[in-house]
Amino acid sequence: DAGITQSPRHKVTETGTPVTLRCHQTENHRYMYWYRQDPGHGLRLIHYSYGVKDTDKGEVSDGYSVSRSKTEDFLLTLESATSSQTSVYFCAISESGTSNQPQHFGDGTRLSIL
Amino acid sequence: QKEVEQNSGPLSVPEGAIASLNCTYSDRVSQSFFWYRQYSGKSPELIMSIYSNGDKEDGRFTAQLNKASQYVSLLIRDSQPSDSATYLCAVNRGTYKYIFGTGTRLKVLA
Repeated sequence: DAGITQSPRHKVTETGTPVTLRCHQTENHRYMYWYRQDPGHGLRLIHYSYGVKDTDKGEVSDGYSVSRSKTEDFLLTLESATSSQTSVYFCAISESGTSNQPQHFGDGTRLSIL
Repeated sequence: QKEVEQNSGPLSVPEGAIASLNCTYSDRVSQSFFWYRQYSGKSPELIMSIYSNGDKEDGRFTAQLNKASQYVSLLIRDSQPSDSATYLCAVNRGTYKYIFGTGTRLKVLA
């Protein structure tokens, strides 16, 4: 199994509070991704990173920011959480940005915004 | 039209039968194709990758790709109750961009 650890695994918080989710990898892979998974929508890309301090937006980036200060860590921050951000969040990694590299996923974080 | 389409199911098959899961995609420049298995409450797990037209076999799993018709399928032979899960099709159009279908739920009946 790919060495990907997400923390926390579960979180309940209130609307308006900031929330940070962490993804840690031990594979030394260059690319890291944050997805959210919601019924009927599948996996949707929030942000991705192609190296330390190199990040870019995905299709559903509004309300989210990311940071990557080390190869192994990729942080996702909800600046002011809203109920629409209640979801399951998955971190994924891939060795490079070439199309034949599959992604591998962490165990996910179940986030509830009340 | 969704970029990657899958029938949501559930697809029910008896134990020991062949399960056939299908996926169509809209962008002809798609280059790589992946099948993931996701058990309820768990994360997606890669089971097959396919990059060129034809069949690719790995144990009980066979992936089939037809770029001209823009579909990719997954066959599971000798289906077991432990194969009951949601199967996600993913398509890569180059570099970082992976597009996922919403998945097909498979139920293998003992």
